[in-house]
This record gives sequence, structure tokens and C-alpha cells, in this order.
Amino acid sequence: NAGVTQTPKFQVLKTGQSMTLQCAQDMNHEYMSWYRQDPGMGLRLIHYSVGAGITDQGEVPNGYNVSRSTTEDFPLRLLSAAPSQTSVYFCASSLEGGQGGHNEQFFGPGTRLTVL
Amino acid sequence: KQEVTQIPAALSVPEGENLVLNCSFTDSAIYNLQWFRQDPGKGLTSLLLIQSSQREQTSGRLNASLDKSSGRSTLYIAASQPGDSTTYLCAVSGVDSSYKLIFGSGTRLLVRP
Repeated sequence: NAGVTQTPKFQVLKTGQSMTLQCAQDMNHEYMSWYRQDPGMGLRLIHYSVGAGITDQGEVPNGYNVSRSTTEDFPLRLLSAAPSQTSVYFCASSLEGGQGGHNEQFFGPGTRLTVL
Repeated sequence: KQEVTQIPAALSVPEGENLVLNCSFTDSAIYNLQWFRQDPGKGLTSLLLIQSSQREQTSGRLNASLDKSSGRSTLYIAASQPGDSTTYLCAVSGVDSSYKLIFGSGTRLLVRP
């Protein structure tokens, strides 16, 4: 298993540009999520999905869109990039999310995004 | 609102020393607590996961404890090695949203040879 994969590893954007960060997992996990990590801060949840076709907002969703058309993929879209979105983005997945599930989360290697 | 704090923010110890990293959380209604290591430029690697009904988990030289009533967890590292040098993150999930993790800002550990 490749686990959780993310592309690209690095990206530089200009203010106002749009792009999609890719995330895929091959573990048949139902739950997937996106976090951002800023210097000196812990990871913060952007969006999450408990299964194909179902998405919801996390703590810091503004400026980002997600969709989940398959179990394997969970792309994160930046609609109009802003310097405040300069960060490291991590995708995560777990087998289950609900009560009674063993929801150990597995993380991808991250995408380092700079918005000029 | 759940808040997670990790103390100290940074720690430097000589090789071979036993050490403890601390994690505290403000809301005791957690589903589980997970410890991760984050190596520079890499993703997070899960070290230990403690369900809310458990008191501790062990993996090799690592032992994590959980005291829900006091809102505390500790990660004990025995006989530290230079390869243990990295950032350790603690994260909790709530009973009403067991799949959402709330992270602390981490403890950066340096083990000196």
C-alpha cells in the first residue's frame, strides 16, 4: 500500500490564482480530511469527508472547496489564492470516523504552498 | 472549545536519558488521544493511540498515559536516542466528532549524542 499520497510537494502561486491540491489513499478508508499547519501552531482542520459524496467544514474552511466523488480521492481547491493561505497542507485518512470505530489517522507527506 | 497545550515547546537532553513530554486538554469529553512524530519536511507518523477508556499504551521504548479527568497525557521515552530527535504532536478527538483532531503546537526534542 502507498498509504496517503499528496501532490504536488511544493507549489508557488501568485495572489488570485487557483489550484487543486491532490490527495489519494489506497487503504479503503471512509474518512478523509485536510489540515493546514502554520509556523508555531498546531494543525487546523479545513474540511473533512466521512464518505464519498459527503463533505463538511472544519475549523478554517474559508477560501477552500472540496469534493469527494470517490472513496480514494479528496482534492482541495483554492479558488483565489491569498498570501494568508501560505502554509503546509496535510491530508489524512482513517478507517472509520464514528463511535466504535478505530479511527487512527494516517497522514500524507504534505504540500508546501507559498502564495506571493 | 477544546484547546490542546504541549509543554515544553522545546527540550534538549543527552542520549540515554529518560524523558517525559506533556500534553493537556481543556475538555475531558474526548474520544481518543493520539501522539505523532513529525520529521522535518515530512508528514505525521502515528506513534500511539489511546482510546478514552484506556489508561496507557506502550510501543517499544514509548509509553503514553491518559488521565481524562485531569485533562492530561504524557509521552514517556525511555533510553532516548539521537533518532528520537523530532517534533512530537499530541491530538485529541471529541466524543461528538471522533474523526476531527485538535492538535497541540508540539514539542521539539533534541537528543544530543
